[in-house]
Amino acid sequence: QKEVEQNSGPLSVPEGAIASLNCTYSDRGSQSFFWYRQYSGKSPELIMSIYSNGDKEDGRFTAQLNKASQYVSLLIRDSQPSDSATYLCAVKPKGYQKVTFGTGTKLQVIP
Amino acid sequence: DTGVSQDPRHKITKRGQNVTFRCDPISEHNRLYWYRQTLGQGPEFLTYFQNEAQLEKSRLLSDRFSAERPKGSFSTLEIQRTEQGDSAMYLCASSPPKNNEQFFGPGTRLTVL
Repeated sequence: QKEVEQNSGPLSVPEGAIASLNCTYSDRGSQSFFWYRQYSGKSPELIMSIYSNGDKEDGRFTAQLNKASQYVSLLIRDSQPSDSATYLCAVKPKGYQKVTFGTGTKLQVIP
Repeated sequence: DTGVSQDPRHKITKRGQNVTFRCDPISEHNRLYWYRQTLGQGPEFLTYFQNEAQLEKSRLLSDRFSAERPKGSFSTLEIQRTEQGDSAMYLCASSPPKNNEQFFGPGTRLTVL
């Protein structure tokens, strides 16, 4: 079992729709969770961090965390073509600085 | 630009040569991380510094790899006797004290021929 699992996609959504990206993790001791966006050939860019169960909203982005189910998700509302990228889920365990990344989900927003 | 900077951005080398990469973190960030990313994969953790101390090191970091952060400022990652399997993007990230968010630099793309 991979430590952090994501569907590789591609996930295709029409412009203006909600994109839903999902991630599961195996370490129940995980404490911090992050979503990064990565454009082709570029480095990862931090979008959201979430540390407690529930929802966290920032503009068009909402991160959702369910520690009991070991599940974290990212919703992108009013998706734009510029949102087309690979979205990386990242998880940090308690007491360590090492962050484990998933392989990413490629999102395509169709105009 | 006050973000994380990395140098060089691209490096092409022949198998067996040594290479060194530099990372300058965001000012006031005392934590610094190195990752390696290959095509289709997420970044893989290599090592972590808090100030000048190297506190975490991945098993991925073979004895051909060494990292330093003298004086707790910039960091260098050296790969000795490069192999074709070392071809990857090498990413540096930094974070401020008491904050787990990591901010990445543009990366150094290494190609070993």
